[in-house]
Amino acid sequence: EVQLVESGGGLVQPGGSLRLSCAASGFTFRNYWMSWVRQAPGKGLEWVANIKEDGSEKYHAESVKGRFTISRDNAKNSLYLEMNSLRAEDTAVYYCAREDWGFEYWGQGTLVTVSS
Amino acid sequence: DVVMTQSPLSLPVTLGQPASISCRSSQSLVHGDGNTYLNWFQQRPGQSPRRLINKVSNRDSGVPDRFSGSGSGTDFTLKISRVEAEDVGVYYCMQGTHGPFTFGQGTKLEIK
Repeated sequence: EVQLVESGGGLVQPGGSLRLSCAASGFTFRNYWMSWVRQAPGKGLEWVANIKEDGSEKYHAESVKGRFTISRDNAKNSLYLEMNSLRAEDTAVYYCAREDWGFEYWGQGTLVTVSS
Repeated sequence: DVVMTQSPLSLPVTLGQPASISCRSSQSLVHGDGNTYLNWFQQRPGQSPRRLINKVSNRDSGVPDRFSGSGSGTDFTLKISRVEAEDVGVYYCMQGTHGPFTFGQGTKLEIK
């Protein structure tokens, strides 16, 4: 059974940093592109970043470029999102998702709240 | 970026009646490999999104056959043949053809 479990969310002050993790199991992690998708409270879905199977290619949404960095550790079956210079508008539930030209599998999400 | 526009944004439906959601993209979603990477997701209250349909019309595993997808190019439709109580939630279309991936605004389905 495919499982994606996010962790690392919490309350952080504006300008602060946070690192999200996603633990993958039930499939061969190193064979898939992976993404982070977020959802602000009461709002729609927004793709944030994705990373190639071997980590050699990474893409970030314009809204987070230069502040967020996606990475992965295939030996640990883990996906990460390093978030710096956080803003109030980054407040959201962050999901990791397995890519297949779409997202068949999603985690349960981890809530990031940026507030003073 | 490709803009995905859904309509309606709110959809009150009587139990047992059909429902239809439209999704239009700002450019063709036909990929160079010939596939059209248009997905539909359901998000029930308090849950993660669940994919219903991939590549326009392919139902994902475990999705009831009352859900169907159709369309081509820039115009797509999700249909529910007979709405059930468990179908309440928000439905999103999403394109995976062009980077960055983009979602529609969401359509909230409720029971009348």
